[in-house]
Amino acid sequence: QKEVEQDPGPLSVPEGAIVSLNCTYSNSAFQYFMWYRQYSRKGPELLMYTYSSGNKEDGRFTAQVDKSSKYISLFIRDSQPSDSATYLCASSQTNTGNQFYFGTGTSLTVIP
Amino acid sequence: GAVVSQHPSRVICKSGTSVKIECRSLDFQATTMFWYRQFPKQSLMLMATSNEGSKATYEQGVEKDKFLINHASLTLSTLTVTSAHPEDSSFYICSAPSGPEAAYGYTFGSGTRLTVV
Repeated sequence: QKEVEQDPGPLSVPEGAIVSLNCTYSNSAFQYFMWYRQYSRKGPELLMYTYSSGNKEDGRFTAQVDKSSKYISLFIRDSQPSDSATYLCASSQTNTGNQFYFGTGTSLTVIP
Repeated sequence: GAVVSQHPSRVICKSGTSVKIECRSLDFQATTMFWYRQFPKQSLMLMATSNEGSKATYEQGVEKDKFLINHASLTLSTLTVTSAHPEDSSFYICSAPSGPEAAYGYTFGSGTRLTVV
């Protein structure tokens, strides 16, 4: 079983839609949860960073962590064509860079 | 936010040659940097931890003699793919701490697309 599982998609939505991206993880000791956005042929860009359970909101983006079900989500409101990218989730027990486990990424296309 | 500069962004080389990839932490002096490899539609896989002034720490299954890492200064780590073969073709990405404390997180470079022909 992979440490972090993510549906690769692809996911295609119309502009303005609410997007829901999800991951599950297997290690109950994970405490740090991250979402990255990766445009084609570019490095990942940190979008959201959450410690432990709960919600975190930043503009049109909301990250949600449910440790009881080992489920993490990213919601994008009022999606824009510029949101078209691959979204990677990552989890870690400690906040050190050599202990991050990444999902495979979900490819999102927002259609104008 | 912090900036990590990675160069080159794309390189094509002949089989058997070596390729050097540079990763610079522009905003923060990093004693530790990380090198990842990413195949299409697959996760980022950590290859090694680059340690300033000492040997790199390689993940299981990564050949240290093939992927040479040098971290000679607090702002620069290099990855050299030696005697490259077509199966080494991949997207290589480095990352560095964004600040002096864990809460700052990590910033990724823009990646290097290596194609070995």
